[in-house]
Amino acid sequence: QTVVTQEPSFSVSPGGTVTLTCGLSSGSVSTSYYPSWYQQTPGQAPRTLIYSTNTRSSGVPDRFSGSILGNKAALTITGAQADDESDYYCMLYMRSGISVFGGGTKLTVL
Amino acid sequence: EVQLVESGGGLVQPGRSLRLSCAASGFTFDDYAMDWVRQAPGKGLEWVSGISWNSGSIDYADSVKGRFTISRDNAKNSLYLQMNSLRAEDTALYYCARRVGFQYYFDYWGQGTLVTVSS
Repeated sequence: QTVVTQEPSFSVSPGGTVTLTCGLSSGSVSTSYYPSWYQQTPGQAPRTLIYSTNTRSSGVPDRFSGSILGNKAALTITGAQADDESDYYCMLYMRSGISVFGGGTKLTVL
Repeated sequence: EVQLVESGGGLVQPGRSLRLSCAASGFTFDDYAMDWVRQAPGKGLEWVSGISWNSGSIDYADSVKGRFTISRDNAKNSLYLQMNSLRAEDTALYYCARRVGFQYYFDYWGQGTLVTVSS
């Protein structure tokens, strides 16, 4: 059973930079997993931020960026703003046809 | 404008069945794969099932395999999820999502339909 791991919570100061990560319980995340990132605020449907590791979805500010850091996918927010306070989910494509979400990271901006 | 509107959720007893629908508009439906993603109350997102544009490729999460069936009707621009043998742990908000197949991500999401499994 493949588990996708994310930090349960993270905190960042307004204007600061934060990097959220997305790993695998066994093995390394690479671009061939097509990592994507989604932002969700309470009561709302998810919003697509990043796909194919580092491509920003239409309308997403350039303060959001994606990458591979070491053996994990990463979402970096540079110059965090108050309305970035949300839950962030990564998703990996497992090449067997299935996709798996991470458990999500609750980001607090304070 | 791309729109995905789910329907069919409700309260159902354990062991019973329910069929969800997702009506798509604003794009050429049969150009895209489609998926179902669910979110239990207060929990994270869970991928449930996906179907290719022509129904030739279908996949399920282990948690629903053998109980849920995904299907689509391209003539009606609609996606479906037949859910049988429902369990309390299937209680969730069910989203349909449009998948960009060759890059394996979801670019549009519906607002979800709530399924509650309880006696």
